[in-house]
Amino acid sequence: EVQLVESGGGLVKPGGSLTLSCAASGFTFDDAWMTWVRQAPGKGLEWVGRIKRKIEGETTDYAAPVKGRFTISRDDSENKVSLQMHSLKAEDTAVYYCTAGHGMSDSDSWGQGTLVTVSS
Amino acid sequence: DIVMTQSPDSLAVSLGERATINCKSSQSVFYSPRNKNYLGWFQQKPGQPPKLLIYWASTRESGVPDRFSGSGSGTDFTLTISSLQAEDVAVYYCQQYYSVPLSFGGGTKVEIK
Repeated sequence: EVQLVESGGGLVKPGGSLTLSCAASGFTFDDAWMTWVRQAPGKGLEWVGRIKRKIEGETTDYAAPVKGRFTISRDDSENKVSLQMHSLKAEDTAVYYCTAGHGMSDSDSWGQGTLVTVSS
Repeated sequence: DIVMTQSPDSLAVSLGERATINCKSSQSVFYSPRNKNYLGWFQQKPGQPPKLLIYWASTRESGVPDRFSGSGSGTDFTLTISSLQAEDVAVYYCQQYYSVPLSFGGGTKVEIK
């Protein structure tokens, strides 16, 4: 069974930093593109960014609102993907979902999400 | 960037009746070398993460009831629930994964009339 478990969310002040982690199991992690999607309270889904496989150079892509502030990385030895967030703004407040692409869409499987609140 | 536009924003359908959700992309998401539309549909029930229902515009994910179907090509797509069940109450999103930045539609809330 595919499992994605996010951790690291919490309350952070504007301008602060936070790192989210996602532990993956139940599939061949090396073969998956890993993506972060967020959802602000009461709002729709917003793609944050993704990281491709090691054999593809672990290439990353980011949405414009987070480019230069967020960094996605992966550790295939630990089946883990991380989202480093810097210079956080109030508008970054959201539930952050970790997703895995197994060749169907970019987000075939989803974690339960972790809430990040940016507030003073 | 590709903009995804869903309609309607919400709809109320009687149990057993058909529900139809539309999704339009600002440019084609059809990739001709693979003959595939890079379009997915997701279902999000209250308090839960989204779940993939349909990929490549019309392929049902394993375990998804056959009352859910996807159709369309290029820029115009439809998700149909042929006979609405109580457990189908949810928000439905389309997403293009043809090009970065990937993008979702605004969502369609489906309720029981």
